[in-house]
Amino acid sequence: AQSVTQLGSHVSVSEGALVLLRCNYSSSVPPYLFWYVQYPNQGLQLLLKYTSAATLVKGINGFEAEFKKSETSFHLTKPSAHMSDAAEYFCAVSDEAGGGNKLTFGTGTQLKVEL
Amino acid sequence: NAGVTQTPKFQVLKTGQSMTLQCAQDMNHEYMSWYRQDPGMGLRLIHYSVGAGITDQGEVPNGYNVSRSTTEDFPLRLLSAAPSQTSVYFCASSYSIANSPLHFGNGTRLTVT
Repeated sequence: AQSVTQLGSHVSVSEGALVLLRCNYSSSVPPYLFWYVQYPNQGLQLLLKYTSAATLVKGINGFEAEFKKSETSFHLTKPSAHMSDAAEYFCAVSDEAGGGNKLTFGTGTQLKVEL
Repeated sequence: NAGVTQTPKFQVLKTGQSMTLQCAQDMNHEYMSWYRQDPGMGLRLIHYSVGAGITDQGEVPNGYNVSRSTTEDFPLRLLSAAPSQTSVYFCASSYSIANSPLHFGNGTRLTVT
């Protein structure tokens, strides 16, 4: 079974600083990888997805992620944090077994942005 | 477009009671799924469906039933609620291809006392 590991359940950065949220995946085949964001009392929204077209993926709100097969990583970055980025972020990998789009999620990283 | 609609938003049950969480989508998505979210555990898949009349179990199916009689609706039934089922439940849908992103509802917060 595929799995993802998110290192750091809580990350705190200053406004304007670099955001780096880590995700490592386990997969026996080239995976589909996703980052989602969850704001308080809301469902998850797609930030970006990797589908093998390019290793550097740009998403919404200035976020991007780089797929590194040699490191089995898909870390999420943003050059300059904004207060509105405070949320919980989830990395997920797609499992094609059984058809459809079964996603396996990491345990999430809560991002806090401080003045 | 309403997207994925979940009802109710909040629910309190007593142990042993049953209830149905409703989920409807208006995007003509073939794939629908239910997740539960618990602190420190991320989202775990309960049940999923790849089309009307087809359902299958996910990672944590015990205590839950689903059916899919139409493309639009995918209700989740709790047969006999237990405190361990206190959680936030999310319904999600997508086209039935592996790189198609999931669209999530806003969740149902369930407390079982």
